[in-house]
Amino acid sequence: NAGVTQTPKFQVLKTGQSMTLQCAQDMNHEYMSWYRQDPGMGLRLIHYSVGAGITDQGEVPNGYNVSRSTTEDFPLRLLSAAPSQTSVYFCASSPSFNQPQHFGDGTRLSIL
Amino acid sequence: GENVEQHPSTLSVQEGDSAVIKCTYSDSASNYFPWYKQELGKGPQLIIDIRSNVGEKKDQRIAVTLNKTAKHFSLHITETQPEDSAVYFCAATAGGTSYGKLTFGQGTILTVHP
Repeated sequence: NAGVTQTPKFQVLKTGQSMTLQCAQDMNHEYMSWYRQDPGMGLRLIHYSVGAGITDQGEVPNGYNVSRSTTEDFPLRLLSAAPSQTSVYFCASSPSFNQPQHFGDGTRLSIL
Repeated sequence: GENVEQHPSTLSVQEGDSAVIKCTYSDSASNYFPWYKQELGKGPQLIIDIRSNVGEKKDQRIAVTLNKTAKHFSLHITETQPEDSAVYFCAATAGGTSYGKLTFGQGTILTVHP
């Protein structure tokens, strides 16, 4: 039982490049979400999904896309990377709303 | 939307002392308040949570209290140990049109000195 797995762990991009951050969970959780963590600002919600085929925006969605074709996977896409998107990204899952969220160990992303 | 304020930003205690971290929230409809511990290089891990129909919850050395009227909740760690050193985050779920979205506080860096 791996829990929430995020790949890659580290990534360096150039401004304007695109990439996909992967997130997979093996707990059959319906609810999945993406956060970014910046110094002094805690974790901020980017996008979330309440089940396969259903996604919605969080607090800071601009510049990011998501899709949820299966229960297990919830990838986050950066369309055209900008230096302001340099951050640590965390994926989380839970059985439903208002249930404990299980976090992956993060992807550390630097954009030059 | 929901706004969560967390204090202090840093907290330094001696081993065996107690530590208290406080959070306030803005949305009176919020009903779920988890606390997370984050160690260096790792994702946050849930350590305790409380729901709005409960005023206090305890799990060994860790306790959380909730005051719905004042809209604040606190984490209490007793008999602190060096392995308690980490970053702690409070969070609250929003109500209304933002139902279920989790909003985090800014975090508290706890250092326990041996």
